[in-house]
Amino acid sequence: DTGVSQDPRHKITKRGQNVTFRCDPISEHNRLYWYRQTLGQGPEFLTYFQNEAQLEKSRLLSDRFSAERPKGSFSTLEIQRTEQGDSAMYLCASSKPGQLYEQYFGPGTRLTVT
Amino acid sequence: QKEVEQDPGPLSVPEGAIVSLNCTYSNSAFQYFMWYRQYSRKGPELLMYTYSSGNKEDGRFTAQVDKSSKYISLFIRDSQPSDSATYLCAMVDRDDKIIFGKGTRLHILP
Repeated sequence: DTGVSQDPRHKITKRGQNVTFRCDPISEHNRLYWYRQTLGQGPEFLTYFQNEAQLEKSRLLSDRFSAERPKGSFSTLEIQRTEQGDSAMYLCASSKPGQLYEQYFGPGTRLTVT
Repeated sequence: QKEVEQDPGPLSVPEGAIVSLNCTYSNSAFQYFMWYRQYSRKGPELLMYTYSSGNKEDGRFTAQVDKSSKYISLFIRDSQPSDSATYLCAMVDRDDKIIFGKGTRLHILP
């Protein structure tokens, strides 16, 4: 069990470009969550998956954001046409079945949009 | 009014002191209550979770929930410089989403 991993750890991109982040959850965890965190704030929920099904999406998640978890293992979060306001830490977390209160977070991907 | 309110601090206390961190919430449907610790530029790390009103202890940490007052607390005994971090309270809503507080920055002074 190596924990939740995220790649890349840092991403600098120019406004208007597309970016994609990857999250690998703990292997026996069927739930996977994406959050966004800006400076001085707690993580804000974006979306979550149970196995490969995307069950909930936040109103914060505009149509420029899309997430997938095609085989119920790793997940990707894509942001199209990035804006400066997208600059944030994007966090991924996973949990075991029935234990959503016990989420384990990855180290995050820090996105800077210039 | 935000669903979860948490004083952002910073809170500075001398080493060895007892630290008290608190959150209030407005949604009576919240079920599980958690405390996370986050070091700078790292992901949050789960410290403790509780379900019912009352106290739960784990080593130097005690989590307290008062559902009637919609108030939760985390106490840290014998605080150490390594406890310096941001502490986030979090709660699970009826849609299984976790709602976080803003976090309280804690500094333990050697």
